[in-house]
Amino acid sequence: DQQVKQNSPSLSVQEGRISILNCDYTNSMFDYFLWYKKYPAEGPTFLISISSIKDKNEDGRFTVFLNKSAKHLSLHIVPSQPGDSAVYFCAPNQGGSEKLVFGKGTKLTVNP
Amino acid sequence: NAGVTQTPKFQVLKTGQSMTLQCAQDMNHEYMSWYRQDPGMGLRLIHYSVGAGITDQGEVPNGYNVSRSTTEDFPLRLLSAAPSQTSVYFCASRTGSFQVTFGSGTRLTVV
Repeated sequence: DQQVKQNSPSLSVQEGRISILNCDYTNSMFDYFLWYKKYPAEGPTFLISISSIKDKNEDGRFTVFLNKSAKHLSLHIVPSQPGDSAVYFCAPNQGGSEKLVFGKGTKLTVNP
Repeated sequence: NAGVTQTPKFQVLKTGQSMTLQCAQDMNHEYMSWYRQDPGMGLRLIHYSVGAGITDQGEVPNGYNVSRSTTEDFPLRLLSAAPSQTSVYFCASRTGSFQVTFGSGTRLTVV
């Protein structure tokens, strides 16, 4: 039973446009949400996070939105750049445990 | 700082063989963990450690052992390799925050 779903395996956008990556979760006990970016043959790198007490967190071109009632979060990248082409993972956490639960990822391609 | 260093980067094992995946971090992080990633899947937690001498199981611990004798090192041992353990393995470490730093991975094939 998947606790974290990233329903779009892939997404393609034009350079300069907005990229929106979605993540749905089922466990209402998740209270901290992280996004990781992964390039081929490399380990994931931390991108941005949000606590359940907030509904938005912004860091430069990256903004994460959290809708707790819908158990949904989204990552917005504006403007998208070719270097953003990577696989993006949503990874919620519950109560500060060591157990990050990763979604299957969304492969973003930003076309020049 | 080198961050999190994993060796080897690639390994092919025969079914039944044992081996140890090495992981070292130079950031003095308390928390270390091992994940595996299978094709089309997210990362799944195998084992983790909250400090030297303290380890615990994650989501998929069967067939793997760990120990943490020093802060820097967290090796993962495969006792008797099986084809189902073919995967990419990532070691990770963090401080008190959840901004986990991952190694570059070990690609393991069991034939």
